Amino acid sequence: DTGVSQNPRHKITKRGQNVTFRCDPISEHNRLYWYRQTLGQGPEFLTYFQNEAQLEKSRLLSDRFSAERPKGSFSTLEIQRTEQGDSAMYLCASSSTGGREKLFFGSGTQLSVL
Amino acid sequence: GENVEQHPSTLSVQEGDSAVIKCTYSDSASNYFPWYKQELGKGPQLIIDIRSNVGEKKDQRIAVTLNKTAKHFSLHITETQPEDSAVYFCAASPTGGSQGNLIFGKGTKLSVKP
Repeated sequence: DTGVSQNPRHKITKRGQNVTFRCDPISEHNRLYWYRQTLGQGPEFLTYFQNEAQLEKSRLLSDRFSAERPKGSFSTLEIQRTEQGDSAMYLCASSSTGGREKLFFGSGTQLSVL
Repeated sequence: GENVEQHPSTLSVQEGDSAVIKCTYSDSASNYFPWYKQELGKGPQLIIDIRSNVGEKKDQRIAVTLNKTAKHFSLHITETQPEDSAVYFCAASPTGGSQGNLIFGKGTKLSVKP
């Protein structure tokens, strides 16, 4: 069990640029989640996948955000035309069907938009 | 929608003392309540969870209690150790959610002084 892996760990970008993050879940987990966390706050749900199907999206996920999980394994989260308000820690988590409530989080990607 | 309030925001205890963190939730139909520990630079780690059909659950030095009538739940850590120092988050699973769509509190920064 190698845990949930996220890359990159840190990303600095200029306002207006596009960025993409990758998440590799625990291998036998079929559910994958994206959360966003800002300083001093708890994580906020963005979206989740069961296998390759995106089943739920938060209203926090504006049309500049898109997430994919093409083969039901790794996932990518893309932010287009980044804004300073997008600066946050982006967390990925995964869970199995049997223990679906038990989320295992990665260490996150810290995004700074200048 | 579901709202989770967490208190206190910071808590300082002496090593060996007990620590208690309290949370309230608004949606009476929420049925799953996990607690996460987050260390600096890492993602949240599940430490204990409880379902709405159980009033109390214990795992070594950690226990969680749930009062469905009052809609509050608490985390109890006994015999605290310096390695317990971290930010702790409570969460609730709202009605109709994927059960991965957790609503988190704002966190409690626990400091255990040796």
